[in-house]
Amino acid sequence: AQSVTQLGSHVSVSEGALVLLRCNYSSSVPPYLFWYVQYPNQGLQLLLKYTTGATLVKGINGFEAEFKKSETSFHLTKPSAHMSDAAEYFCAVSASARQLTFGSGTQLTVLP
Amino acid sequence: ETGVTQTPRHLVMGMTNKKSLKCEQHLGHNAMYWYKQSAKKPLELMFVYNFKEQTENNSVPSRFSPECPNSSHLFLHLHTLQPEDSALYLCASSQDVRLAGGQDTQYFGPGTRLTVL
Repeated sequence: AQSVTQLGSHVSVSEGALVLLRCNYSSSVPPYLFWYVQYPNQGLQLLLKYTTGATLVKGINGFEAEFKKSETSFHLTKPSAHMSDAAEYFCAVSASARQLTFGSGTQLTVLP
Repeated sequence: ETGVTQTPRHLVMGMTNKKSLKCEQHLGHNAMYWYKQSAKKPLELMFVYNFKEQTENNSVPSRFSPECPNSSHLFLHLHTLQPEDSALYLCASSQDVRLAGGQDTQYFGPGTRLTVL
């Protein structure tokens, strides 16, 4: 079985501050891990994904995530938040089940 | 048009109505998906089609009926819905579900916001 837990359904940061969105997964086989972003009234857009190889993955809009097998984590970070980063972020895993399993999402608010 | 498109973007229907949601992908993919996104719940996979064949039905009630006439088009036919079916319905596509998960990235449409009165 595979599952995803996103810690914190709401995260607020000040503009220019570090963004850290947490994701932990459960999988009995090596996972493929994804972060998607959803802006209001839009579908999901792929931010980045981890398949194999380098554990630090860089994505669009300055985001990156690091796969840590020992911690079963795939946290999303961005050094400096921008107002346009306000959105909902979803972590997802594809492992034993070929289909994606999504977390419940984290709503990111960026304060001026 | 590029990517994955969905029509209509918004739909309000009564419980006795029959309506259809349409999804079209312009990415040359062979797999298409329907997801349901309800408030405060994770995305729920409903149906998967690969090369026009249904490969997954996640115990979806029969009042939802999918149709995939070709690899570029996917429909969701709705009838006798309940108010709890109100949600954002997202369509996605990918290259081929038989590929290893990391190689088969899903691309999403903007969704149809459905309200059942």
